[in-house]
Amino acid sequence: GENVEQHPSTLSVQEGDSAVIKCTYSDSASNYFPWYKQELGKGPQLIIDIRSNVGEKKDQRIAVTLNKTAKHFSLHITETQPEDSAVYFCAARPGNRDDKIIFGKGTRLHILP
Amino acid sequence: EAGVAQSPRYKIIEKRQSVAFWCNPISGHATLYWYQQILGQGPKLLIQFQNNGVVDDSQLPKDRFSAERLKGVDSTLKIQPAKLEDSAVYLCASSLWFGTDTQYFGPGTRLTVL
Repeated sequence: GENVEQHPSTLSVQEGDSAVIKCTYSDSASNYFPWYKQELGKGPQLIIDIRSNVGEKKDQRIAVTLNKTAKHFSLHITETQPEDSAVYFCAARPGNRDDKIIFGKGTRLHILP
Repeated sequence: EAGVAQSPRYKIIEKRQSVAFWCNPISGHATLYWYQQILGQGPKLLIQFQNNGVVDDSQLPKDRFSAERLKGVDSTLKIQPAKLEDSAVYLCASSLWFGTDTQYFGPGTRLTVL
């Protein structure tokens, strides 16, 4: 079945700098890749997603890139702010399932003042 | 629009006791998911409902876990008897229909088994 690896597990960046989180997946037929942000005491919230027919997507300070050949995708956050501090999860939807998504283990992002 | 509601938010029990969690999805959402999130890991799907039918329960430990969604709206997840390794956050999520992309998560129930 699908397996999603996420790195790093913890990331600290200075406020205003950029943060990059990387994920790899195993199922070459996977077709949908969402990113979720989870704040303390809350459930995960979708922040951006990308489909397999697109190489890059951007939404204000957040962007996601997808390399299907290498089976990896990345989250880029620019001009980081204190409210970006949270745990971020990447996920992938296996090609044989329209709705099931497999999550990575998460990256705890700390924004340093 | 109201989000996914879950209760209780926290629960502490002794091992071998029973516990139940409740979830009310977003109004009109036909698909409901229960996830288990162990500390330091991503959510793992336990069971998925489409209306009141089970679509996927392959990861549900059926000897101790059960779930139902009798009227296709609210759902309950039960653990009986609980083990120490069941300590986790139990998340409920819903989506509009089978195959739609976005899953909306509730705040979760943090279970501690002593």
